[in-house]
Amino acid sequence: DVKVTQSSRYLVKRTGEKVFLECVQDMDHENMFWYRQDPGLGLRLIYFSYDVKMKEKGDIPEGYSVSREKKERFSLILESASTNQTSMYLCASTNGGTAYQPQHFGDGTRLSIL
Amino acid sequence: DQQVKQNSPSLSVQEGRISILNCDYTNSMFDYFLWYKKYPAEGPTFLISISSIKDKNEDGRFTVFLNKSAKHLSLHIVPSQPGDSAVYFCAASEGGNQGGKLIFGQGTELSVKP
Repeated sequence: DVKVTQSSRYLVKRTGEKVFLECVQDMDHENMFWYRQDPGLGLRLIYFSYDVKMKEKGDIPEGYSVSREKKERFSLILESASTNQTSMYLCASTNGGTAYQPQHFGDGTRLSIL
Repeated sequence: DQQVKQNSPSLSVQEGRISILNCDYTNSMFDYFLWYKKYPAEGPTFLISISSIKDKNEDGRFTVFLNKSAKHLSLHIVPSQPGDSAVYFCAASEGGNQGGKLIFGQGTELSVKP
């Protein structure tokens, strides 16, 4: 079974702090994704990566950056946290070379910015 | 511009009856559709998928129907069980999802009452 592990289940930070959310997958997947989930809005894509050191903007990249130095690890960075970034953050991965494969998700990080 | 829409935020069903969750899409290039189930404080779990060459796919109690002309898909759960109570997201992608990028609906919260 695919295992996607997010480093923290719950996190509380202050406005203006730099926040790092970490995600690791153990299935040698090429593609990794960061989403945020908000009530009534579903899952919205922040950033994704097809390979090491590669990144692509999703639908809502403003205020975020990402890092992928190793294939198994994809980090989401909030450069200067703001209260409107309080949300559930979800990491996912999938095998990029195979068609018709689902994404596999971690358990999420519930981030609160005070 | 919401390309994937779930117009019912919530659905309540009696145990043993059928649950029908609906999803509409606007992009005719979508060719792979998925349903995910999400419990509170957990990540989404892949449930079932269908490619555009099919109009039906079954897996146990879960069946997904695809109507390409209407750009509509639905998830049927028969019989519904209290453990099915969760938020259900539909998602869609182009190109057989080889790029991995999914577009999600807003979610429908299903409540199955004993």
